Amino acid sequence: ETGVTQTPRHLVMGMTNKKSLKCEQHLGHNAMYWYKQSAKKPLELMFVYSLEERVENNSVPSRFSPECPNSSHLFLHLHTLQPEDSALYLCASSQGGTGGGVTGELFFGEGSRLTVL
Amino acid sequence: AQSVAQPEDQVNVAEGNPLTVKCTYSVSGNPYLFWYVQYPNRGLQFLLKYITGDNLVKGSYGFEAEFNKSQTSFHLKKPSALVSDSALYFCAVRDGGATNKLIFGTGTLLAVQP
Repeated sequence: ETGVTQTPRHLVMGMTNKKSLKCEQHLGHNAMYWYKQSAKKPLELMFVYSLEERVENNSVPSRFSPECPNSSHLFLHLHTLQPEDSALYLCASSQGGTGGGVTGELFFGEGSRLTVL
Repeated sequence: AQSVAQPEDQVNVAEGNPLTVKCTYSVSGNPYLFWYVQYPNRGLQFLLKYITGDNLVKGSYGFEAEFNKSQTSFHLKKPSALVSDSALYFCAVRDGGATNKLIFGTGTLLAVQP
C-alpha cells in the first residue's frame, strides 16, 4: 500500500466511449502526475499538477483531459481514444510544489490497465 | 535535457549470485538519480536515490547503487540475488523545475533463476 489509489484497475472501452480514470492520494502531497507505460518504451510523463495547477502538458493529444479538483484527487478523462492508447496509466504523487522540497521520491499507484478496442 | 539509458533489456542471474543492472545518465548540473522496481501487475516502488554525499547508496530489499561521476553511471547492485527480486527495474533522473518530475529509462527485466 503506497497511499496512492487508482480506479479502475482495468478498463476496456470502445473508440467512441467516454470514461475516466481516478487517482487519490492519502499522503498529504501537493504534486500529482500521470504517466503512460507502454511495452518496451520509457515511461511517458503526460501531465503534472502542482498545488492543483497544471504545470506541464507534454504534447498529449486532446483526447486525454486531466482534472485536478484538489490536492488529493486527479482524474484523466478519456474520449474517442485510439487502439494505440492501450497502456498502463500510472498516477504518482510527491511532496514538492512550487518553491521547494524537490528531492523526494514519487509514490505510484498500481495503475489502470486500459484496453481500447 | 536530462536523460538516462538502460542498455540491457534483460539481465539473467542465478539465485545467490551478485547482480548488476546498468544505468548511465546525461544531465546538466548535479544529478538527482533514482531506482524504482515494478513487480508484475503493480505500480512502481521506490528503491533508492542519490542526491549528494557518499557514492554508494543503500536502499530497500538489500539493494545498493554506486554513483560514478566520471563514467556518468548509476548501476544498481545486490550481493546475492533472490528469485523474488525478479521484476522490472527503472532508472530515473529528476528533470529539474519545481516538482519532482522524473525522466525514466526503458527498464531492465531482471530474471533470477532458482
